[in-house]
Amino acid sequence: GAVVSQHPSRVICKSGTSVKIECRSLDFQATTMFWYRQFPKQSLMLMATSNEGSKATYEQGVEKDKFLINHASLTLSTLTVTSAHPEDSSFYICSARGRSRGQEKLLFGSGTQLSVL
Amino acid sequence: AQSVTQLGSHVSVSEGALVLLRCNYSSSVPPYLFWYVQYPNQGLQLLLKYTSAATLVKGINGFEAEFKKSETSFHLTKPSAHMSDAAEYFCAVSEGSGGYQKVTFGTGTKLQVIP
Repeated sequence: GAVVSQHPSRVICKSGTSVKIECRSLDFQATTMFWYRQFPKQSLMLMATSNEGSKATYEQGVEKDKFLINHASLTLSTLTVTSAHPEDSSFYICSARGRSRGQEKLLFGSGTQLSVL
Repeated sequence: AQSVTQLGSHVSVSEGALVLLRCNYSSSVPPYLFWYVQYPNQGLQLLLKYTSAATLVKGINGFEAEFKKSETSFHLTKPSAHMSDAAEYFCAVSEGSGGYQKVTFGTGTKLQVIP
């Protein structure tokens, strides 16, 4: 069945480096991708929305130059955290909207725990 | 604009007791409503969703929720709690027009099940 595969599940990096998170849709064409972040013991906050082939739309307060989103195909979207700092440490989750076997679906990836040292 | 309010950040029940997690929503158009469960350090798993069909929605693991438009509520219930139900639960709303739009999550309710 249709799933969204998110990788890596966990990443630890040094401050100042960049980290790329991938979300792939399987058996499913993701026309829209949503990226969320979740701080410990808090809810998920939408960071940005991207439609395939278009530039992402960022929520207020989210730095688009820091969180680069690419959605070049219907099966892959990436979030790159550039020059990561400890305050970027968080749980990031992607969500994909699209059609699979004639049905509209909204599916979530399993999340990426980012720890910046 | 849409929003979700979950009453109670922590709920404790005894094993075998009724589980009731409360959710109220606000939406300017007919909403889609969801309940998700999150286990520690994992992503979200969809429990159930309401998309304007039957108002009583049955989901996985014995959970169900009832959409009550007059009360703008979508409370989650399970007749008998199991130890494996201990997790964090998120209620969410998506504006239904045009399909699944961006989802707004509640602040979550952590469910503790006492043996």
